[in-house]
Amino acid sequence: SQTIHQWPATLVQPVGSPLSLECTVEGTSNPNLYWYRQAAGRGLQLLFYSVGIGQISSEVPQNLSASRPQDRQFILSSKKLLLSDSGFYLCAWSVRVGTGLKGQYFGPGTRLTVT
Amino acid sequence: DQQVKQNSPSLSVQEGRISILNCDYTNSMFDYFLWYKKYPAEGPTFLISISSIKDKNEDGRFTVFLNKSAKHLSLHIVPSQPGDSAVYFCAASGGNEKLTFGTGTRLTIIP
Repeated sequence: SQTIHQWPATLVQPVGSPLSLECTVEGTSNPNLYWYRQAAGRGLQLLFYSVGIGQISSEVPQNLSASRPQDRQFILSSKKLLLSDSGFYLCAWSVRVGTGLKGQYFGPGTRLTVT
Repeated sequence: DQQVKQNSPSLSVQEGRISILNCDYTNSMFDYFLWYKKYPAEGPTFLISISSIKDKNEDGRFTVFLNKSAKHLSLHIVPSQPGDSAVYFCAASGGNEKLTFGTGTRLTIIP
């Protein structure tokens, strides 16, 4: 069965510090990978998605970046955090089966607080 | 521009009764719809989905209805149980793997 891991679970960082969040998926090959952010009282905002190694699409202009160095590894980074970067960050994976999207499956999330 | 809307931020339902969560969308290119359930400090859990070629999909206590002409979908939970208390997100896809999420409805089941 497939599992998805995210770490760390919680993180408190000062403004201006760098960020690296990691996501790995097990039990599947060549998944699509996604980074979402849920800000307080808001829905899930898609930040980045990737259909393969080194292939990253950005959905929202911001000071965050993403990389996919391996097939099942997805990293969210920032060189300098802003207060507005605080939120709950979620990694997800999907595999399109047949002609229909089966759904995206989410990791446990990382709670980031920028102080 | 909020393409997927959940206009009720919260809903309270008596245990054993039916819970109905609603979702509206504006983009006519959406052809696949999903419902997720989310507990605090956890990732969303996929519940049920429906393709635009159908108007109903049922899985146990969960049924999703799709009204394409009204651009409206709903999730019915029958009977509602205390463990169903969570935030429910609807999401839509338009021919690719990207999902657009609504802002969520917090469902509280009253024992």
